[in-house]
Amino acid sequence: QQQVKQSPQSLIVQKGGISIINCAYENTAFDYFPWYQQFPGKGPALLIAIRPDVSEKKEGRFTISFNKSAKQFSLHIMDSQPGDSATYFCAARAGGSQGNLIFGKGTKLSVKP
Amino acid sequence: GAVVSQHPSWVICKSGTSVKIECRSLDFQATTMFWYRQFPKQSLMLMATSNEGSKATYEQGVEKDKFLINHASLTLSTLTVTSAHPEDSSFYICSANFRASLVSSYEQYFGPGTRLTVT
Repeated sequence: QQQVKQSPQSLIVQKGGISIINCAYENTAFDYFPWYQQFPGKGPALLIAIRPDVSEKKEGRFTISFNKSAKQFSLHIMDSQPGDSATYFCAARAGGSQGNLIFGKGTKLSVKP
Repeated sequence: GAVVSQHPSWVICKSGTSVKIECRSLDFQATTMFWYRQFPKQSLMLMATSNEGSKATYEQGVEKDKFLINHASLTLSTLTVTSAHPEDSSFYICSANFRASLVSSYEQYFGPGTRLTVT
């Protein structure tokens, strides 16, 4: 019940294309769903986050789509660039406003020029 | 913004020695910080939740006597790996909860990580 399942494990996209990463969860008590971007040897950086009362959130080229009934959420990266090549983690928060995050296993994105 | 720093960024130590890693919130106060461990090409594994002024809460399977956590102030948490062994070699990352205002949600910001190598 505490798992967050992320797919695909790896993704190759051409420059200018759309990258889509999906996550699914079981615990309906999760109340906050962030996405993080991590480059090799660096800490994860918060990219964008959504709460379950919103179905979509867009920030620049990054969009989260959230389907509460299906318990799924996804990250869309529009006009993907080689600089977007990184590992992306979805997460869900449990245990209140300062609770810990449950992370997906990550998706390694490679954007080919 | 919310900036979290870690020191050192990398450390090499001999087996049997202890190593301390510092995590600081640079421009905000953090009542709650978290410590993670990450192996190559794997996800983040939560080790413990650190609350200012109280004992840390450790995840199942994490040895509290081996990984000592102290959150003595609202801007500093430390992780001490005691009697380190080669299997403790890993990438250790801290994070802190931050909210922009009293009506905002808390968001978790991560430090740059510390690479520990035990020889």
